[in-house]
Amino acid sequence: GQQLNQSPQSMFIQEGEDVSMNCTSSSIFNTWLWYKQDPGEGPVLLIALYKAGELTSNGRLTAQFGITRKDSFLNISASIPSDVGIYFCAGSDSNYQLIWGAGTKLIIKP
Amino acid sequence: DAGVIQSPRHEVTEMGQEVTLRCKPISGHDYLFWYRQTMMRGLELLIYFNNNVPIDDSGMPEDRFSAKMPNASFSTLKIQPSEPRDSAVYFCASRVSSGGAGYTFGSGTRLTVV
Repeated sequence: GQQLNQSPQSMFIQEGEDVSMNCTSSSIFNTWLWYKQDPGEGPVLLIALYKAGELTSNGRLTAQFGITRKDSFLNISASIPSDVGIYFCAGSDSNYQLIWGAGTKLIIKP
Repeated sequence: DAGVIQSPRHEVTEMGQEVTLRCKPISGHDYLFWYRQTMMRGLELLIYFNNNVPIDDSGMPEDRFSAKMPNASFSTLKIQPSEPRDSAVYFCASRVSSGGAGYTFGSGTRLTVV
């Protein structure tokens, strides 16, 4: 079946550093989504990508939909303490069901 | 908008008891999804509804799990009888068909079966 490979699994960074994470798939998706989950809460949608090659920003976040429709990356610039959490990528097929990555846990070193 | 509302936030129950989780989707959203999240398996889709009709329940673990959506503003996920391996966080999410692929999630119900 469809699978998403998300990396890295976790990241330890200093406040102010830039962060990059990515997802790859063996299948083509119509849509790529990036979510963030805070402890004790449900995932919250950060960015949605609908077109191959699309580059979209949301504040300090930037995400791109790969040309092949099989990959996406998320960058966070100048990380701050509230960026801590788990980031998930998700790919959507034509039925709008989501295939989820395993998540990237972002930890900011004190 | 109040978002997707789930209740209870936490549930602790004894093995063999019936558990009912509740969800109120965002008004006007025509898709509703039930997910389960564990450390081992991550986010798993259990079932989803479109216009109150179950479309795909292939993710429901076994017959002990059942879900209903009697109207557009309410859904339940029931586990009977519950087992310790059902312990997880259960999320409800909703979306509108014209609004892109993204879902809005509720805050989840943390279920512990002892």
